[in-house]
Amino acid sequence: NAGVMQNPRHLVRRRGQEARLRCSPMKGHSHVYWYRQLPEEGLKFMVYLQKENIIDESGMPKERFSAEFPKEGPSILRIQQVVRGDSAAYFCASSPTGATHEQYFGPGTRLTVT
Amino acid sequence: AQSVSQHNHHVILSEAASLELGCNYSYGGTVNLFWYVQYPGQHLQLLLKYFSGDPLVKGIKGFEAEFIKSKFSFNLRKPSVQWSDTAEYFCAVNVEDMGRRALTFGSGTRLQVQP
Repeated sequence: NAGVMQNPRHLVRRRGQEARLRCSPMKGHSHVYWYRQLPEEGLKFMVYLQKENIIDESGMPKERFSAEFPKEGPSILRIQQVVRGDSAAYFCASSPTGATHEQYFGPGTRLTVT
Repeated sequence: AQSVSQHNHHVILSEAASLELGCNYSYGGTVNLFWYVQYPGQHLQLLLKYFSGDPLVKGIKGFEAEFIKSKFSFNLRKPSVQWSDTAEYFCAVNVEDMGRRALTFGSGTRLQVQP
């Protein structure tokens, strides 16, 4: 059973460009969580989605950031007009139910904004 | 809002030394507690978790953690570390009462084990 897949693993964008980060949950998992890790900090929750629904976006910045988890295909975290402060590692986790203890993490996408 | 503190940011030990990493959280209600490990170049893996019952929890690779409710602590221990334990360790909390699924993480402790 393949684990949580994230791509790309590394992404370089210039200021003002858009970044799209993809997350394919484990097979059979319908709940996805996105976390961001800034340098020298722990992971910070951003958003929790089920298929086609955003359940909790309390950690999402109010502007430029959006997330979706369509019926078919991976979950997408989209950052518009990136700035240097968006440089971070973005981790996705998935679970088969909404139970927190079953979150499995992907390898992360390291975004660098130049 | 709840928070998680990991007081040791960087720990250096020799092989066979004993390990204890501190974790304190700030919430008085029902919590679920976790320790994750991230080996160099790899993704986060769950080491152990506590929901209820015996406050001494055993995890993988010889790790254990003790939940002390009165101290709001969930310290990670290992009697004898190996070079392969070199990694970053994260404590995380979920506040069950609030009905949210998000994990709140500490800032991590980087463990370096010298051969």
